[in-house]
Amino acid sequence: AQTVTQSQPEMSVQEAETVTLSCTYDTSENNYYLFWYKQPPSRQMILVIRQEAYKQQNATENRFSVNFQKAAKSFSLKISDSQLGDTAMYFCAFMKPFHTSGTYKYIFGTGTRLKVLA
Amino acid sequence: GAVVSQHPSWVICKSGTSVKIECRSLDFQATTMFWYRQFPKQSLMLMATSNEGSKATYEQGVEKDKFLINHASLTLSTLTVTSAHPEDSSFYICSASGTGPTTGELFFGEGSRLTVL
Repeated sequence: AQTVTQSQPEMSVQEAETVTLSCTYDTSENNYYLFWYKQPPSRQMILVIRQEAYKQQNATENRFSVNFQKAAKSFSLKISDSQLGDTAMYFCAFMKPFHTSGTYKYIFGTGTRLKVLA
Repeated sequence: GAVVSQHPSWVICKSGTSVKIECRSLDFQATTMFWYRQFPKQSLMLMATSNEGSKATYEQGVEKDKFLINHASLTLSTLTVTSAHPEDSSFYICSASGTGPTTGELFFGEGSRLTVL
């Protein structure tokens, strides 16, 4: 069974600094997707960044980038130039396409609560 | 990005009553919808997966007779908490995935906070 582990329950970072959130996962699958989702205090989850396992290049979205190490099963999120609006709960997620029922199967980590300090 | 709307955002009900939560995909066809439950400061717990026109697939430990899920169209799924009790109080979140370039990405509703008195 797949598992997703986020070992940092809480983190804080000074505004404008860089912070890295860690995520490791365990799977025997070769084809899968990885995501980072953000859940701000408003509670609606939004996608931050996604990575297809077959792509070697690390995904980047503006100030957000990932360090995807497939062999090590690691998928960390780096937030550069942190802003107060980045304060949120961040969830790492593993998605296996073509679940046995024909749908997607998502597994979420336990989350990392990030606080950006002014 | 795609929009998923969830209603109601807040609901308070008496013990023993049933509550229906709606999840709508506003600008895309959601072939699959997921229902999650989230306890304070915890991760999302998948309750069930539903495909349009078919029965929902419930996760182990989730009572299908208590949490009725209907996915009658490609834009609407409903979760009905039947005979609600205080222990059912929680934050319920729906999400939807479609097809095309965003295949695999989940679009989340705003969540519904249920309080059972």
